[in-house]
Amino acid sequence: GNSVTQMEGPVTLSEEAFLTINCTYTATGYPSLFWYVQYPGEGLQLLLKATKADDKGSNKGFEATYRKETTSFHLEKGSVQVSDSAVYFCALTGNEKLTFGTGTRLTIIP
Amino acid sequence: EADIYQTPRYLVIGTGKKITLECSQTMGHDKMYWYQQDPGMELHLIHYSYGVNSTEKGDLSSESTVSRIRTEHFPLTLESARPSHTSQYLCASSIPPKAGGLSYNEQFFGPGTRLTVL
Repeated sequence: GNSVTQMEGPVTLSEEAFLTINCTYTATGYPSLFWYVQYPGEGLQLLLKATKADDKGSNKGFEATYRKETTSFHLEKGSVQVSDSAVYFCALTGNEKLTFGTGTRLTIIP
Repeated sequence: EADIYQTPRYLVIGTGKKITLECSQTMGHDKMYWYQQDPGMELHLIHYSYGVNSTEKGDLSSESTVSRIRTEHFPLTLESARPSHTSQYLCASSIPPKAGGLSYNEQFFGPGTRLTVL
């Protein structure tokens, strides 16, 4: 079946640091890949997505590239801000349902 | 902009009470979902629906039940709440497939209901 393995947290960075959160997946067929973000006390919001190999999703300075050869979809941001503190979920779908990773809690300190 | 609502946002109740968590969406989405999120953040799909009169069990067994009488409404009910039901419950809906294309299954989430059973 489908599965998503996500970098364990928590991750703590200083403001303006470079961010990478690793995500690898196992899936049959050709899944679509997503990053969702959950701010404190809220539901999940779609951050970015990629629907086929070599696609790059981007939003709010975050980027992730769909790498089929390494089955990865790592999330990156060049300069994080305090407002980026949240929980980040990698997810995939190849059928009717989403498969989520376990989430990575990110804290940015000023 | 997604419009999906959950009420109440927070609920504290005693053991044995019957509760219903409400979820409504105004986007006309056919597919809707309920997730249970444990304190460790992991999300577990407990119910989903393809449309009116359709309900399916998710990946995680749950004592809750759901109904789908109207497209926009997908309530979750616990007949007799217990402390083990304490969790965050998230509702979601997803966009329909694009004409002639694949369903990306992009899901839109409500703000969640945080349930505490004493």
